[in-house]
Amino acid sequence: AQSVTQLDSQVPVFEEAPVELRCNYSSSVSVYLFWYVQYPNQGLQLLLKYLSGSTLVKGINGFEAEFNKSQTSFHLRKPSVHISDTAEYFCAVSEYGGSYIPTFGRGTSLIVHP
Amino acid sequence: DAGVTQSPTHLIKTRGQHVTLRCSPISGHKSVSWYQQVLGQGPQFIFQYYEKEERGRGNFPDRFSARQFPNYSSELNVNALLLGDSALYLCASSLDAGGNTGELFFGEGSRLTVL
Repeated sequence: AQSVTQLDSQVPVFEEAPVELRCNYSSSVSVYLFWYVQYPNQGLQLLLKYLSGSTLVKGINGFEAEFNKSQTSFHLRKPSVHISDTAEYFCAVSEYGGSYIPTFGRGTSLIVHP
Repeated sequence: DAGVTQSPTHLIKTRGQHVTLRCSPISGHKSVSWYQQVLGQGPQFIFQYYEKEERGRGNFPDRFSARQFPNYSSELNVNALLLGDSALYLCASSLDAGGNTGELFFGEGSRLTVL
């Protein structure tokens, strides 16, 4: 069965600084990987996904993530954050050829300070 | 286009009561999943339904049950509520099994408070 570890529960950063949110996964088969964002009192919204092909994936709002199979990681990055990026970010994994039911990490709270 | 809609958005119950949460998927989506999100945690999988049949069940007690209707909408039922059932209940829909990758489209959730 797959699992996801988000290494940081909270990441504070100043506006216009770069940020990286870390995600590691565990699975015995090929995987699909996702990052979702959750703003206060809302549901989850897909930021980006890795299904196959290029390991560098670009998503909405200027975010990107890189799939590293050897390190089983899928870290999320943004070169310059805005106050509006303050939210919870969740990494998720589903297994190719399995149930495709994704497992979520516990989330990283990104706090952008002015 | 309408996204995933859930009702009610907020509700308060007391211990021992029963609750029914409802979800309508995106038009054309045949699969519905339910997740529980406790404050400060990631979503935990409860059920997935596809074409009215249960395709997956998470590690939740039998007090939790669900069903999917012919129009692909779904209900989540929780009996004998406990304080620990207080959470945001998220419904998500997805494309049919043939193109399924695990990508989910979420509603805004139903916030349940058990007193």
